[in-house]
Amino acid sequence: DTAVSQTPKYLVTQMGNDKSIKCEQNLGHDTMYWYKQDSKKFLKIMFSYNNKELIINETVPNRFSPKSPDKAHLNLHINSLELGDSAVYFCASSQPTGGYGYTFGSGTRLTVV
Amino acid sequence: GQNIDQPTEMTATEGAIVQINCTYQTSGFNGLFWYQQHAGEAPTFLSYNVLDGLEEKGRFSSFLSRSKGYSYLLLKELQMKDSASYLCAADQTGANNLFFGTGTRLTVIP
Repeated sequence: DTAVSQTPKYLVTQMGNDKSIKCEQNLGHDTMYWYKQDSKKFLKIMFSYNNKELIINETVPNRFSPKSPDKAHLNLHINSLELGDSAVYFCASSQPTGGYGYTFGSGTRLTVV
Repeated sequence: GQNIDQPTEMTATEGAIVQINCTYQTSGFNGLFWYQQHAGEAPTFLSYNVLDGLEEKGRFSSFLSRSKGYSYLLLKELQMKDSASYLCAADQTGANNLFFGTGTRLTVIP
């Protein structure tokens, strides 16, 4: 059983398109996250959700919108894709308090052409 | 501000010992994580240090000094499969997310 699963694994799309990446966790965790890993391998937090409530939102363009239908899902929708959005996007989940670490999904490699 | 520094790349020989250092500056600090990430894969949890000192877990050990804002990951008896990126991440007070360093790419050579 996959603990954190995200789809698709690869996504190639043209500039200006709108796309979504889905994420589901079966760990019963309370918090889910989206991270972006750029070409320099720097993992940067984008969003996190705790019990369907957005609790952080870093300086991410509003073209990016997280959607959480329930505690087990956190999807990422991106409007008007730009070349600079090309990166690997990781979903993760954790319990809200520290020490338990994050469990990451396998990543979605987004390429905007 | 917040900042995490770790070397960009390291190379070590199979069977040897390697130490990957990490220094951090955060506005609030709960603990320090280390993650391993193989190319094209997700980061996986290695260790979490809250208190000062060394924690050993098989071939991997992690050390923390809160007063110095310093941690290291020690890998013993290196194997070829240990070639990966090692990410240092600070668990920040009240932030409810991990702040990652850029990672250290370790290459193990025969």
